[in-house]
Order: sequence, then structure tokens, then C-alpha cells
Amino acid sequence: SQELEQSPQSLIVQEGKNLTINCTSSKTLYGLYWYKQKYGEGLIFLMMLQKGGEEKSHEKITAKLDEKKQQSSLHITASQPSHAGIYLCGAVPFGNEKLTFGTGTRLTIIP
Amino acid sequence: GAVVSQHPSRVICKSGTSVKIECRSLDFQATTMFWYRQFPKQSLMLMATSNEGSKATYEQGVEKDKFLINHASLTLSTLTVTSAHPEDSSFYICSARPWTGVGEAFFGQGTRLTVV
Repeated sequence: SQELEQSPQSLIVQEGKNLTINCTSSKTLYGLYWYKQKYGEGLIFLMMLQKGGEEKSHEKITAKLDEKKQQSSLHITASQPSHAGIYLCGAVPFGNEKLTFGTGTRLTIIP
Repeated sequence: GAVVSQHPSRVICKSGTSVKIECRSLDFQATTMFWYRQFPKQSLMLMATSNEGSKATYEQGVEKDKFLINHASLTLSTLTVTSAHPEDSSFYICSARPWTGVGEAFFGQGTRLTVV
């Protein structure tokens, strides 16, 4: 089965600082997703990466997928309180539609 | 983007009773929907894949007789927690895609179930 490990598990960052969250897969990924969640609420789609070496940006958030398609990073520039929440990477394996999630990273932004 | 609606958002029930949670795709048809469970301070755990017109596929360790899934139409899947116990208390969330393979998966708002 697809194993997704995220690091760090939790992160406390001062407002305005940059941060990076990593997601590592035990298998080659067919599609890699990043979602954000406020605990107890639904998921907000951030980005999907599919090609090795792909990089996408939206506002202050950039996600990359490595060439081997087994590692992804999510980078937030000049963090704001609105960035606080739980970040989840998800993956769809080859030949399967099931989207499974990594262990999650809880991000706290302090003023 | 596409919309997935989940109902109810919160439910409290007594031990031994059954609770039904609905997941609807409002503006697209979904032959496949997915049900997840989330424990406090943990990630989402895939419980089962709901297949329209056929039996659901359950992940290892998920009791199919405890969590009944029915996907009666292309826009509705239901999860029934039968004979609920306090340990079934959790956050349940569904998702669906308007296409096969990869592509953004849309999620419902989630249901917080509390069994007393």
C-alpha cells in the first residue's frame, strides 16, 4: 500500500518567516496532492503535481515534485496567520483511484 | 469547482443506535466516492471506496458490517454506522471526483459523530 510520511509533524513559525513541509512516498507517485484543513472541517485543495520535476505556485505557496516522483515539498513564503492549519499530502498510486493521505503537518503561526 | 455536500455536519446519538451520513455530488456524477475517518490530531484514514451499483471496497481493518455503504445513484453515497459505540465517535468525511484517474478530489464538509 502507499505509505506517505510527512515532516515535520508540527511546526511553529513566526509570522513573516518562510517554511517548508516535506512529503515522502515509499512508491513512485502517479499524482501528488496538497490539501489544507482546519481541524474538524473540510479540506481545501491547494495543488496537484503529476510530472517529475514539476513545480506549481499559488500566491505564497509553492509545491514541488522531485524527478523520481517520490518526494514533494510545500514551501510557504512570508507566512501569515491565515496559513495556520493542518497540511496534508495525498497520493494516488498507479492503476488506482484511491487517494490516501500522509501523516499531516500541523502549522501554527505566531505573531 | 465541483461541490460535494455532506449531511449532517454534526450528530449525537445514543449507544446502540445507527446513524446515516449522506454524501452528494451536487454538480457532477461520481461513479466512485471515498469515505475517510479522522481521529483527533491525526490524518485522514481511508475507510472504503463506494462504487455506484456495486458493493463497496473496504480497507483492511475496517468492519464492513459496522460501516455500511450504499451508493444507490451517481450523485449519492451513504455511510451508515450501525450499532454505534463511543469508540465510533470521530470525524467522517467523503470525497468524489468528476473524472477517473488523477485530478482534484472534492471533499464534503465532514460529519462529526459523537456517540454517548
